Amino acid sequence: AQKITQTQPGMFVQEKEAVTLDCTYDTSDPSYGLFWYKQPSSGEMIFLIYQGSYDQQNATEGRYSLNFQKARKSANLVISASQLGDSAMYFCAMREGAASYDKVIFGPGTSLSVIP
Amino acid sequence: NAGVMQNPRHLVRRRGQEARLRCSPMKGHSHVYWYRQLPEEGLKFMVYLQKENIIDESGMPKERFSAEFPKEGPSILRIQQVVRGDSAAYFCASSPASRQSNYNEQFFGPGTRLTVL
Repeated sequence: AQKITQTQPGMFVQEKEAVTLDCTYDTSDPSYGLFWYKQPSSGEMIFLIYQGSYDQQNATEGRYSLNFQKARKSANLVISASQLGDSAMYFCAMREGAASYDKVIFGPGTSLSVIP
Repeated sequence: NAGVMQNPRHLVRRRGQEARLRCSPMKGHSHVYWYRQLPEEGLKFMVYLQKENIIDESGMPKERFSAEFPKEGPSILRIQQVVRGDSAAYFCASSPASRQSNYNEQFFGPGTRLTVL
């Protein structure tokens, strides 16, 4: 079974508009963490934002915010005021459990294209 | 403060040859993770190592693949007798030994793109 689902293979957004990238996850562990990473065409993986399963508030980092709906097991990434440099692949990822190591499971990704 | 370093960035091998991928974690990090990214896919966990120990290799193919993280020097991912299906981007990530934040973020290297001819 898929642990992380990203149903949007490709998305387009107008520059300066906001965009939401969907992510749903599947776990029975009460302790987990959710991550979003950006992968531009150059290939590196850039950490964007993190949400812990026990965090009371939705995470925000600059123009990035995470819409965490625990009961629905969704962790959508919202990018406000899109910029051309936001065009990239975006991966949702999950770390299960409170183990001393952090094995991270990645979703298949969403390709975002920002249109000028 | 140098980030995670991987070399080579690009590696071309013919079928049957060996590929050696190196990863130097961030300074002060003693946990190393290897991931593989096939074209058009997300990253798949392969192996997690601490210094001189393999902690979790559940994502590593049983044959031809091995990994080490010696006391001195970089972590090495070794692929013997490569096949075309091994062509992928291989990412290394590192994290500190103790939780310095509440989520122990993994920092990724730039990846090694392996092409098997």
